[in-house]
Parts: sequence; structure tokens; C-alpha cells
Amino acid sequence: EAGVTQSPTHLIKTRGQQATLRCSPISGHTSVYWYQQALGLGLQFLLWYDEGEERNRGNFPPRFSGRQFPNYSSELNVNALELEDSALYLCASSLLGDEQFFGPGTRLTVL
Amino acid sequence: GIQVEQSPPDLILQEGANSTLRCNFSDSVNNLQWFHQNPWGQLINLFYIPSGTKQNGRLSATTVATERYSLLYISSSQTTDSGVYFCAGGGFKTIFGAGTRLFVKA
Repeated sequence: EAGVTQSPTHLIKTRGQQATLRCSPISGHTSVYWYQQALGLGLQFLLWYDEGEERNRGNFPPRFSGRQFPNYSSELNVNALELEDSALYLCASSLLGDEQFFGPGTRLTVL
Repeated sequence: GIQVEQSPPDLILQEGANSTLRCNFSDSVNNLQWFHQNPWGQLINLFYIPSGTKQNGRLSATTVATERYSLLYISSSQTTDSGVYFCAGGGFKTIFGAGTRLFVKA
């Protein structure tokens, strides 16, 4: 069974640009979570989607947004990139409220 | 919101030693998990343990939900156990602890 996949692996952008990160959950999972991990720090909860709806979001500005598609895959968009947005972005999937499984992450660098 | 505290923040072990990592929650949580993050950033699931005790090889975990803490035991540590260990849990928002950075010396 395929695990959670994320693309791209690496992404380099400049300040002010927009970044789009993608996540495909484990087959059968309806929930997708996004987390940000800045260098050397812990994971910060960003967004939670389930059945196509945003269920909760963490303490991040509105320029962090996303969506979940009918096939349960998800997209994270970061607008007006700032240098401090450079981080590893991790996606996880689960059945609603159950154990989360993580993808390999997308490393975003903002120059 | 829920606060998650992990201890110790750093741990250095000689290969073969045993260790206990602790995770305290400020409020009751469900879906408590332990993860190991490897040097490439991948989070590896160790245990999904809202309550009770589980064992997997040299690793075991115990969660006492009524007292809002969980313990991860590593026995006969190996160099490949090195990395960062996280606990996480929550309801509508999953909160991660700051992690325990483990280094096992050969």
C-alpha cells in the first residue's frame, strides 16, 4: 500500500512569490493535515482538511491557505512568500481522528 | 490551548544503554502518538497509544491518560536510534512537543 506522497521534494522561490505544495493521502484516508517545521524546531500545526472541508487551522496568517480535492488529495498555497517561510512542510493523512501517517515533506527555501 | 512538554530535551547514550523519554500534556488528549524523525526529516510512526502499554521490539510505550503523560522506553539502544523523538496529540488541533534529541554513541 502506498504511503503519503508529497511534491515537489524541494522548492526554491523568491520573496513575494507564491508556492504551491501538493499531498496525496493514503488510500482510504479522508483527513489531510499540514505542518510547518522551521529549521531545528518542532512541528507547528497549519491546517486540517476532512471530506473536502477545512476543519481547523493553526496560528498562521491568511496567506497560508489550501484545499482538499474530491479524491482527498490536498494543496497548500503560500502567498507573498517571506524569508521566514523557509521550512520543511509535512503532510499527514488519517481516517478521521485516527493515527496520522506522514509524507516525506517538501523543503521550501525562500531567497 | 493544550501544551505538550517533552523531557529531557537532549540525551546522549552509550550504545546498549536504556532510556526513558517523557511527554506531559496540560489537558487530556486523544490520539497520542510517538514519532522518530530521521536525519532526512521523515517522521516514522512508533506508537499510536491513547492509553495503555504497547511494545514493538526494543521499544515500548505507556500512556496514563488520567494523569496526562506518556513514556517511551528504549532498551539496548543502537546508533540507528539517534534522531529526534516527538510525541503529539490533541483534538481538533494536533500539538507536537519540542522533541527529545537522542544521540547514541558507538
